[in-house]
Amino acid sequence: EIVLTQSPATLSLSPGERATLSCRASQSVSSYLAWYQQKPGQAPRLLIYDASNRATGIPARFSGSGSGTDFTLTISSLEPEDFAVYYCQQRSNLNTFGQGTKLEIK
Amino acid sequence: EVQLVESGGGLVKPGGSLRLSCAASGFTFSSYSMNWVRQAPGKGLEWVSSISSSSSYIYYADSVKGRFTISRDNAKNSLYLQMNSLRAEDTAVYYCAAGIRFDAFDIWGQGTMVTVSS
Repeated sequence: EIVLTQSPATLSLSPGERATLSCRASQSVSSYLAWYQQKPGQAPRLLIYDASNRATGIPARFSGSGSGTDFTLTISSLEPEDFAVYYCQQRSNLNTFGQGTKLEIK
Repeated sequence: EVQLVESGGGLVKPGGSLRLSCAASGFTFSSYSMNWVRQAPGKGLEWVSSISSSSSYIYYADSVKGRFTISRDNAKNSLYLQMNSLRAEDTAVYYCAAGIRFDAFDIWGQGTMVTVSS
């Protein structure tokens, strides 16, 4: 089973700041990595697929990078609606999710 | 409108069974693999099971293997999850999800809550 480890567990930032979230895989997942955003009481929303491709309707301030075992989700300038929990997911070998990073308002 | 709607959740005793359903609309259901993902209260997302478009390939997480069975009826645009030998740790919101535009889960249902408790 491929384990995804996200860091940090919680990230406290202010609107307008840059957010950098990390996801590390226990073995290579090539570029088969996605990022999701989840707000309380809602289903997850796909942000990024195949490591660096934005899904439909996702603002350009969201970007993904990485390959192999190390991946990053960057939010260039935080908007109030970006404060949520973010998960990475791999589909290289079945599917697994990371444990999540909570992005909270400082 | 592309939509997934889950149903069938509820309260069940440990060792009991429950069958979840997911009704799909707005896309060609028979062309896509489908998935179940769950989320325990206050916890993260956990992939549960996947089924290919023609049911030829089926996969399970180790945590549910041998107890849960995924199936689909393409004529009814429906996905199912038969859950047997339920445990307290199966308590979660269960989502059905699919990747129809991208190779990731780009559509999700609203989820159905399953509570396993005596």
